[in-house]
Amino acid sequence: GAVVSQHPSWVICKSGTSVKIECRSLDFQATTMFWYRQFPKQSLMLMATSNEGSKATYEQGVEKDKFLINHASLTLSTLTVTSAHPEDSSFYICSATFRTDQPQHFGDGTRLSIL
Amino acid sequence: AQSVTQLDSHVSVSEGTPVLLRCNYSSSYSPSLFWYVQHPNKGLQLLLKYTSAATLVKGINGFEAEFKKSETSFHLTKPSAHMSDAAEYFCVVSDGPDTGNQFYFGTGTSLTVIP
Repeated sequence: GAVVSQHPSWVICKSGTSVKIECRSLDFQATTMFWYRQFPKQSLMLMATSNEGSKATYEQGVEKDKFLINHASLTLSTLTVTSAHPEDSSFYICSATFRTDQPQHFGDGTRLSIL
Repeated sequence: AQSVTQLDSHVSVSEGTPVLLRCNYSSSYSPSLFWYVQHPNKGLQLLLKYTSAATLVKGINGFEAEFKKSETSFHLTKPSAHMSDAAEYFCVVSDGPDTGNQFYFGTGTSLTVIP
């Protein structure tokens, strides 16, 4: 149980394009979803927390106009990297929880490469 | 402030020998503690969690961890390492509802298993 699906797993695109990453909870209702960024050989950096039906809460230093997060339903959150540039290349991971005192369940991540 | 310190960035063991991955935490509250494992280019998988019940927690794949409040530690152990255990391991602390149950990640420990 508690499966989180993230799509796509890998995307390569040209600089200036926008990329959307989907995060779905397959067998539970995710009241809260989290988006992380991970650089090579480093730990996860929390970008934002989103609760279903409300605006995401961004961590300090994360540009909310650059990284658009939508959590329109209890099973789906999306992260859109707008006008992506090479410095946005990274591994993006989402997680979801059905209750905030429970573990987070992670997707398999999306490797984003901007040329 | 809440924080997690993973004392070893890299641990190397021989197959069949015990594994010890060390984690110390600081928290102003009664924390929930987790260990996650990450294989290359994958998301994080929950190994085990401590949420104020038994101090010795058993997880998947033969791993266990002991919560020691006096030492503020939550070390991960396994009696006999397997080649498939080679991965990155993250110790995570969550403070609870007063801080929004935010996860605080350690910097990770890379486990190498030598045949």
